[in-house]
Amino acid sequence: DQQVKQNSPSLSVQEGRISILNCDYTNSMFDYFLWYKKYPAEGPTFLISISSIKDKNEDGRFTVFLNKSAKHLSLHIVPSQPGDSAVYFCAASFVTGTASKLTFGTGTRLQVTL
Amino acid sequence: DVKVTQSSRYLVKRTGEKVFLECVQDMDHENMFWYRQDPGLGLRLIYFSYDVKMKEKGDIPEGYSVSREKKERFSLILESASTNQTSMYLCASSTASGREWGTDTQYFGPGTRLTVL
Repeated sequence: DQQVKQNSPSLSVQEGRISILNCDYTNSMFDYFLWYKKYPAEGPTFLISISSIKDKNEDGRFTVFLNKSAKHLSLHIVPSQPGDSAVYFCAASFVTGTASKLTFGTGTRLQVTL
Repeated sequence: DVKVTQSSRYLVKRTGEKVFLECVQDMDHENMFWYRQDPGLGLRLIYFSYDVKMKEKGDIPEGYSVSREKKERFSLILESASTNQTSMYLCASSTASGREWGTDTQYFGPGTRLTVL
């Protein structure tokens, strides 16, 4: 049962344009959401996060939007740069008692072309 | 900066061998995690630990065990490696959840690409 879904396995965007990566979740207990970026042969690196009390969080070129009623979040990258080419994972969490565990989506491979 | 290191970047083992993957973090984090990443499946949690000697099963614990004897070190053990355990293994750590926003952020090591022949 995939509780966090990234329905687009890949996305290609021209340099300078906006990249929009989408993520849907089914578990209404999730209350914290994160985006990670992963280059080949490296571990994921944390990019940006948002708590469920907000609907938008911005950090430089990266903005995450959360629509709780639709159980949907998106990551906007503006402007896209070739160095943004990577696999992006969204993740969701809630406190289980012992630790906050993250549930990851399957990832979207972003290719930024010149 | 948080630093999570893993003992090997690449490992090749034979079916039936016992395999140890080591992870060390230097940020005094309480929580440590082991994931495997496979194409089309994302990151799946194998085991995690929220304190020394404490462990909990994740979503896919079968065929694996873990050990946490010191706070900074978390080991993943494949008791008898099989070909379906060929994968990228990722270790992560995070601070204890209180819960303050942001404490859920996990920091990952570079990964170990394990091939079981």
